[in-house]
Amino acid sequence: SQQGEEDPQALSIQEGENATMNCSYKTSINNLQWYRQNSGRGLVHLILIRSNEREKHSGRLRVTLDTSKKSSSLLITASRAADTASYFCAGQGGSEKLVFGKGTKLTVNP
Amino acid sequence: DVKVTQSSRYLVKRTGEKVFLECVQDMDHENMFWYRQDPGLGLRLIYFSYDVKMKEKGDIPEGYSVSREKKERFSLILESASTNQTSMYLCASSLLEGGPGETQYFGPGTRLLVL
Repeated sequence: SQQGEEDPQALSIQEGENATMNCSYKTSINNLQWYRQNSGRGLVHLILIRSNEREKHSGRLRVTLDTSKKSSSLLITASRAADTASYFCAGQGGSEKLVFGKGTKLTVNP
Repeated sequence: DVKVTQSSRYLVKRTGEKVFLECVQDMDHENMFWYRQDPGLGLRLIYFSYDVKMKEKGDIPEGYSVSREKKERFSLILESASTNQTSMYLCASSLLEGGPGETQYFGPGTRLLVL
């Protein structure tokens, strides 16, 4: 059962541009997290936003959460080639376990 | 610095073999998880453990078992490997506080090929 569903599946941009990825989820959540995965590696936690928060920032990352629409977005500003990776959202729902989406593959071209 | 290690980066096994994947974390985390990751399917939870000798089934436990004899070590066992278990296996850990939905720290992954 997929809690998060990322959109788009793939995104290709030029260095310096902003990248926006969206995540929709099905059931109520306690928190929503974003992770990054470089090719063939493990996932790295980027940011966690709780259900009572609407927006959160961390460096060049900005995450929003709209619980009424059951959606979240991750914005990476001034992207760099090193941001090339897959990005996953993961929601903690009623089962208390994290349920991951299928990911957005971001390519930042130099 | 937080560290989760997995015993192998790449593994090739034959159908029917018993396979052990080991995961060790040095953060004194109570929760540990095993996922598999397949193209187009994302991460799926196989098993997790919230304490020594405790385990809970995830979404796809069939064909797998786990062992947690020590807090820092969580093993995934494929009793009789099959070709449909060819996948990337990811181990993760997290603090007990906040439950299994808290921030997870991942190992580098083991890419298993079953021939």
